[in-house]
Amino acid sequence: SQKIEQNSEALNIQEGKTATLTCNYTNYSPAYLQWYRQDPGRGPVFLLLIRENEKEKRKERLKVTFDTTLKQSLFHITASQPADSATYLCALRSNFGNEKLTFGTGTRLTIIP
Amino acid sequence: ETGVTQSPTHLIKTRGQQVTLRCSSQSGHNTVSWYQQALGQGPQFIFQYYREEENGRGNFPPRFSGLQFPNYSSELNVNALELDDSALYLCASSSRTGEISGNTIYFGEGSWLTVV
Repeated sequence: SQKIEQNSEALNIQEGKTATLTCNYTNYSPAYLQWYRQDPGRGPVFLLLIRENEKEKRKERLKVTFDTTLKQSLFHITASQPADSATYLCALRSNFGNEKLTFGTGTRLTIIP
Repeated sequence: ETGVTQSPTHLIKTRGQQVTLRCSSQSGHNTVSWYQQALGQGPQFIFQYYREEENGRGNFPPRFSGLQFPNYSSELNVNALELDDSALYLCASSSRTGEISGNTIYFGEGSWLTVV
């Protein structure tokens, strides 16, 4: 069955350092992968999308890599700030079917001042 | 601000009752999906509506049903509520062009349902 795993439930990073979150998947053929941020009690907010034929995407302090051979995506936040503290979700969409997203369980990131 | 609005934001229902949740999609978006997010979990796909027809369904029983209206707004109905239905229900809208285009999918803030 399809499975998406995010490396850890919680991650604590010192302010100013780079936070790296991992998303691994099995039994899946994704067309693209998205990363979302979710604050407590709020809906997910779209951050970045990377397609299966792309290796890397950047947006300001965010960087996403996508390795379809390793079946893995890495999400980096450089120069992390306390305001970056949130849960980060990765979501995959298949090459087949509709616009359904399959989500991981998320990583709760805390940036320590 | 994603332009996707959901109502109500919070509600409490009793086991066995029925509930209707509503969603207004972002202007110009023709596709609405519903997700259920239990505490500490990622969102789970319930179903999707495209041009007023169901276009895919996740692993949810038939007591979860929906509608999409000509203006692309949508409703999620849940009958015979169970305690395990307590969750955040998220609506997501996007503009489907008939291809896997990678168009951004925008989520609303969700409706918190508690079943007691």
